[in-house]
Amino acid sequence: GAVVSQHPSWVICKSGTSVKIECRSLDFQATTMFWYRQFPKQSLMLMATSNEGSKATYEQGVEKDKFLINHASLTLSTLTVTSAHPEDSSFYICSARDQWERETQYFGPGTRLLVL
Amino acid sequence: AQSVTQPDIHITVSEGASLELRCNYSYGATPYLFWYVQSPGQGLQLLLKYFSGDTLVQGIKGFEAEFKRSQSSFNLRKPSVHWSDAAEYFCAVGAGSTLTFGKGTMLLVSP
Repeated sequence: GAVVSQHPSWVICKSGTSVKIECRSLDFQATTMFWYRQFPKQSLMLMATSNEGSKATYEQGVEKDKFLINHASLTLSTLTVTSAHPEDSSFYICSARDQWERETQYFGPGTRLLVL
Repeated sequence: AQSVTQPDIHITVSEGASLELRCNYSYGATPYLFWYVQSPGQGLQLLLKYFSGDTLVQGIKGFEAEFKRSQSSFNLRKPSVHWSDAAEYFCAVGAGSTLTFGKGTMLLVSP
């Protein structure tokens, strides 16, 4: 149980284009999902917290117009990187918290984004 | 604000030897504590968690961790390491709805 999927697993795009990453909880309902960014050989940096049906809460320094988050259902959250630039290249990981399981986040496999 | 310290960036252990990865946390209340493992290019897998009760918690893959409030520690242990355990290990403390991660410890397993 507690499986989280991400799609795509990797994506290469041209500078200036937008990229959408999907995060799905496959066998549980997630009222809260989280988006992280991880740089090589570093820990995870929380970008934003999204609650189903409401606006995402962004961490300080994260541009909400740059990283659009939509949590439209209890099993799906999307992160759209708008007008991507090479500095947005990174490993993006989502997590989901089971609404019935206290405080535990389950992570997706991550999406590698390379912007040329 | 909460924080997590993993003092060892890298650890090398011989296959079959025991393992202990250190984790110290700073948090004003009773913490929720987690250990996750990340293989290269992959997401994080939950190994175990502590919320309350028995301070020795068992996890998957033969791992266990012990919560010591007096030392603000939550060290991860395994009695016999397998080559497949080579990965990066993250300790995290939960506060409210968010997790704060340590910088991770890379485990290398030598034959």
